[in-house]
Amino acid sequence: GDSVTQMEGPVTLSEEAFLTINCTYTATGYPSLFWYVQYPGEGLQLLLKATKADDKGSNKGFEATYRKETTSFHLEKGSVQVSDSAVYFCALSDPFEGAQKLVFGQGTRLTINP
Amino acid sequence: EAGVAQSPRYKIIEKRQSVAFWCNPISGHATLYWYQQILGQGPKLLIQFQNNGVVDDSQLPKDRFSAERLKGVDSTLKIQPAKLEDSAVYLCASSFPGPNTGELFFGEGSRLTVL
Repeated sequence: GDSVTQMEGPVTLSEEAFLTINCTYTATGYPSLFWYVQYPGEGLQLLLKATKADDKGSNKGFEATYRKETTSFHLEKGSVQVSDSAVYFCALSDPFEGAQKLVFGQGTRLTINP
Repeated sequence: EAGVAQSPRYKIIEKRQSVAFWCNPISGHATLYWYQQILGQGPKLLIQFQNNGVVDDSQLPKDRFSAERLKGVDSTLKIQPAKLEDSAVYLCASSFPGPNTGELFFGEGSRLTVL
C-alpha cells in the first residue's frame, strides 16, 4: 500500500537558520503530495501542496518540490522563525486509492529557539 | 466561518468501558473523515463518509469501533469496549465534494486515555 516516510525528529534550530525536512513516498498511482502543519493547541492545517511532477508548492516562506524521479517532497524554508515551531506532516493522496484519502507520515516536531 | 467542531476534547476511561466522540463538520462539506493519531505517529484513516454513506472503512476495527453520520451532517464515533491500545487522539476532518484537492479541514481532536 501507499506510504510516506519522514525524517526522524525532533528538530531544533536557531531563529533564521535554514530548514529541510525530508519526505519520501511510495504510491501505486500518481499521487498528489502535501505538507500539513499542527501548531500547538490547534488542528492540522494544510501548509502547501503539489499535484504533479516538478510542481513546487509554497506558502508562508515554505517550499517543496514534487520529485518523481526520487519520490521525494522535501520541505524547505530559508530563514525560520520562532512562530514556525510546530509538528509537520508529509502526506499523499493517491487517486488510484480513492479521492481525498490522505496517507500521512509520522510527523516531525520542529522547535525554533530565539 | 466556523471550523470543524469536536467534543469532548479529553476523555479518560478504564479498559472495557465505552466512549463516544462527536463531530460537526464545516457547513456544506459533504465528506467527513475520522482519523486516529497515536502518540508519535501520523494520523491513520479510520472511516470516510460521503454525505451519510460510508466510502471507506477498511481500517476501522469493526469488532469494537462504530461510526455513523446522521442526515449527512454530524457524526459520532464509538468505541466499545475500549482497549489500552485505543489511547490516541481522534481527529475529525471534512472537505468539499468534487475533484480531489487533498485539502482537509481538521478539528482540534479528542484525546482518549484508556487506563
